[in-house]
Amino acid sequence: DQQVKQNSPSLSVQEGRISILNCDYTNSMFDYFLWYKKYPAEGPTFLISISSIKDKNEDGRFTVFLNKSAKHLSLHIVPSQPGDSAVYFCAASEANNAGNMLTFGGGTRLMVKP
Amino acid sequence: EAGVTQSPTHLIKTRGQQATLRCSPISGHTSVYWYQQALGLGLQFLLWYDEGEERNRGNFPPRFSGRQFPNYSSELNVNALELEDSALYLCASSYDSSSYNEQFFGPGTRLTVL
Repeated sequence: DQQVKQNSPSLSVQEGRISILNCDYTNSMFDYFLWYKKYPAEGPTFLISISSIKDKNEDGRFTVFLNKSAKHLSLHIVPSQPGDSAVYFCAASEANNAGNMLTFGGGTRLMVKP
Repeated sequence: EAGVTQSPTHLIKTRGQQATLRCSPISGHTSVYWYQQALGLGLQFLLWYDEGEERNRGNFPPRFSGRQFPNYSSELNVNALELEDSALYLCASSYDSSSYNEQFFGPGTRLTVL
């Protein structure tokens, strides 16, 4: 049973436009959420995180929104750049319970076209 | 500042053999995590070490084991290799075991079991 799901395996966006990547989770005990970017043959790179006490966190072009009632989070990238083309993973943890074990979604491949 | 390093980059073994993978965390980080990314699957949590102790393990058989050394580096050992153990093994580190710490990943070790 997948506790973290990214239902869109791929997303194509024009350069300069907004990219919206979505993630759903089922475990109500998750209280810390992270987004990672992964290029081929490299490890995931941390992008941005949000704790369950917030509903929005912003860092430059990246904003993460958390809707706890819907068990849904999204990553917005504005404006999108060709260098953003990568696989994006959302991850969640029960920071107050099971420690720092991360549960990952299956990833969404973002392609930003020039 | 050096990131998380892993060795070897690639490892080829035959079924039944043992594999040893190594990880050096970011300087100052005490927690080390191991994840498996099998082909077509997301990242699956394997093991978490902090201050030399195993803190948590994922849903993997006992032939997956490891340890953390006094300098906080870590080894992952996989005994009695099976074909389905072929995967990218990622190591991550975080500052300590407290909650809400992002994990920083190394480039991974690609294990191929023939």
